[in-house]
Amino acid sequence: KAGVTQTPRYLIKTRGQQVTLSCSPISGHRSVSWYQQTPGQGLQFLFEYFSETQRNKGNFPGRFSGRQFSNSRSEMNVSTLELGDSALYLCASSSTGGDNEKLFFGSGTQLSVL
Amino acid sequence: QQQVKQSPQSLIVQKGGISIINCAYENTAFDYFPWYQQFPGKGPALLIAIRPDVSEKKEGRFTISFNKSAKQFSLHIMDSQPGDSATYFCAASKPPSSRLTFGEGTQLTVNP
Repeated sequence: KAGVTQTPRYLIKTRGQQVTLSCSPISGHRSVSWYQQTPGQGLQFLFEYFSETQRNKGNFPGRFSGRQFSNSRSEMNVSTLELGDSALYLCASSSTGGDNEKLFFGSGTQLSVL
Repeated sequence: QQQVKQSPQSLIVQKGGISIINCAYENTAFDYFPWYQQFPGKGPALLIAIRPDVSEKKEGRFTISFNKSAKQFSLHIMDSQPGDSATYFCAASKPPSSRLTFGEGTQLTVNP
C-alpha cells in the first residue's frame, strides 16, 4: 500500500506570491490533516478535512486555506507569502480522523520564501 | 491551555544506554498520547502510543510511562542504538478529533 504522497518536494517562492501544495492520502483514508513544521515553532496544526469538509482549523491567518476533493486528495494554498511562511508543510492521513486514530505522515513539502 | 512541554531539547547517549525523554501536558481532556520519530528529510512516524487508563506500555525497546496525576509521560528507549538517532516528538489529542498537539521535540544522538 502506497504511503502519503506530497508534491512538490521542494518549492522556492518570493514574497507576495501564492503557492499550492498537494497531498494524496493512503488509499481508503478519508481524513487529511495539514501541519506546519518550523525550527522555532515546531509542529503546528493547520487544518483537517474529512469528506471534502473542513472539520477542524488551527490558529493560522486566513491566507492559509485548503480543500479536499471527492477522491480524498487534498490541497493547501498560501496566498500573499511572507518570509515567515518558510517551513516544512506536512500532510497526514487517517481512516476517519477520529479519536486515537493513527496518523500517517508524508515526507512534506519544503517551502522557502525569499 | 493546549500546550505539551517536552524535555530535554537534545540528548546524547552511548550505544547500549537508556534514552529518556519527558513530556508534560496541561489539558486534562487529552486522552491519547503518541510518540513520533522523525528522521531528516522524512515526516514523523508513529512509534508508540498510550491512553491514560494504563500506566505503562512497552513495545520492543520502547516504553511509555504515564503518570496521570502529575500529567506527565515519558519515553524510554532501552539498549539505544545509533540507528535510533532522530528527533522524537511527544504529542497529545482529545476526542473527538485526531488533531495532535506536539511537544517541541528532542534531538537524540546515540554514539557508537
